[in-house]
Amino acid sequence: EIVLTQSPGTLSLSPGERATLSCRASQSVSSSYLAWYQQKPGQAPRLLIYGASSRATGIPDRFSGSGSGTDFTLTISSLEPEDFAVYYCQQYIRSPQTFGQGTKVEIK
Amino acid sequence: EVQLVQSGAEVKKPGESLKISCKGSGYSFTSYWIGWVRQMPGKGLEWMGIIYPGDSDTRYSPSFQGHVTISADKSLSTAYLQWSSLKASDTAMYYCARPLPFGGDLDAYDIWGQGTMVTVSS
Repeated sequence: EIVLTQSPGTLSLSPGERATLSCRASQSVSSSYLAWYQQKPGQAPRLLIYGASSRATGIPDRFSGSGSGTDFTLTISSLEPEDFAVYYCQQYIRSPQTFGQGTKVEIK
Repeated sequence: EVQLVQSGAEVKKPGESLKISCKGSGYSFTSYWIGWVRQMPGKGLEWMGIIYPGDSDTRYSPSFQGHVTISADKSLSTAYLQWSSLKASDTAMYYCARPLPFGGDLDAYDIWGQGTMVTVSS
């Protein structure tokens, strides 16, 4: 199974700052099979990015994804108050699909 | 509106059986896979398995194979996740989710149910 390792575990930032989240895979997931989700307390996850860089419907353009092979990045260009949450990456190139352990973006 | 609506929270004792549901609406239920994801308290997301309601083709994560059963009733537009003998370690939130329509059973999940909390305690 493909293991996804996210870093850092926690990111402490202020509104307006740029957030850079990393997801590293134990083997290549190409550039087409990596997604990012946002989860807030008490809510289901929400798809932000699929195919490593395509924004899902309704996702603001301050969210962007990049990367290929084994290294991927989610960037939030300027944090809004509603962006403080936990973020997960997911690979779906091979079954079983797997998720990273999550990065919490908290208010500094 | 496309949505998945899950059954309500459950409190069970170890050894009991349980079947939770996920009803799809606003789209052709038999044309999209439905996956199940576990989230233990305070923990991350774990993919459990997926079913295609059109023909009941089912795939399981090795971590969950043999411990749960995924099924679907296309006449009711409903997918199910069931246990025959619950353990305390099954205490978690369980989400159903529908993948994007591009990659079959292997795709990102853009539609999620609200989750069903299962608590197993003696």
